[in-house]
Amino acid sequence: ETGVTQTPRHLVMGMTNKKSLKCEQHLGHNAMYWYKQSAKKPLELMFVYSLEERVENNSVPSRFSPECPNSSHLFLHLHTLQPEDSALYLCASSQGTGAPGETQYFGPGTRLLVL
Amino acid sequence: DQQVKQNSPSLSVQEGRISILNCDYTNSMFDYFLWYKKYPAEGPTFLISISSIKDKNEDGRFTVFLNKSAKHLSLHIVPSQPGDSAVYFCAASDQGGSEKLVFGKGTKLTVNP
Repeated sequence: ETGVTQTPRHLVMGMTNKKSLKCEQHLGHNAMYWYKQSAKKPLELMFVYSLEERVENNSVPSRFSPECPNSSHLFLHLHTLQPEDSALYLCASSQGTGAPGETQYFGPGTRLLVL
Repeated sequence: DQQVKQNSPSLSVQEGRISILNCDYTNSMFDYFLWYKKYPAEGPTFLISISSIKDKNEDGRFTVFLNKSAKHLSLHIVPSQPGDSAVYFCAASDQGGSEKLVFGKGTKLTVNP
């Protein structure tokens, strides 16, 4: 596998379920990101991890819980979600040098539907 | 309030002609701008970028123009090809937080053969 991979690609869950999204990057990068893309809205940055430390949390509800066990893996744990959380969840990684406008490499996303 | 705006949700052009995608921003602290391209069922991929110290950056058929005084940038694709049909996202970052990219809503480009 190369680049950034995400599993599952599609997920349907009920509001009482607990599920996890997984992201893996094979680029040797030090920074990883979770974004949410809702219909007709811009990509919204949710979380940023740099060297496994969370450096950004954009006022995301606690029903979304990120985990970064190492620089190659990033998880998003989901529990008691709401239907409005249905969206495309994108993971990205970058070198993490801190350079302005550093290129981020995206995974294909997980399409989540909350019933 | 959106800091990066792409006011045209869609654009349709003929193969061989020029495609011009526009982006406006409100935050004067933004100093680096990027364009990403997204095909269906794939994540966005980086296309081209420009620093605020420049007003033009060219890479093959793709050119990005930046007008800082107007807080406006545009992506020109010439000549347009059917394979360019995708959603194009404009993104911006400031020196204070290079990890933070602020994205626009995207413009869906369709290039007709």
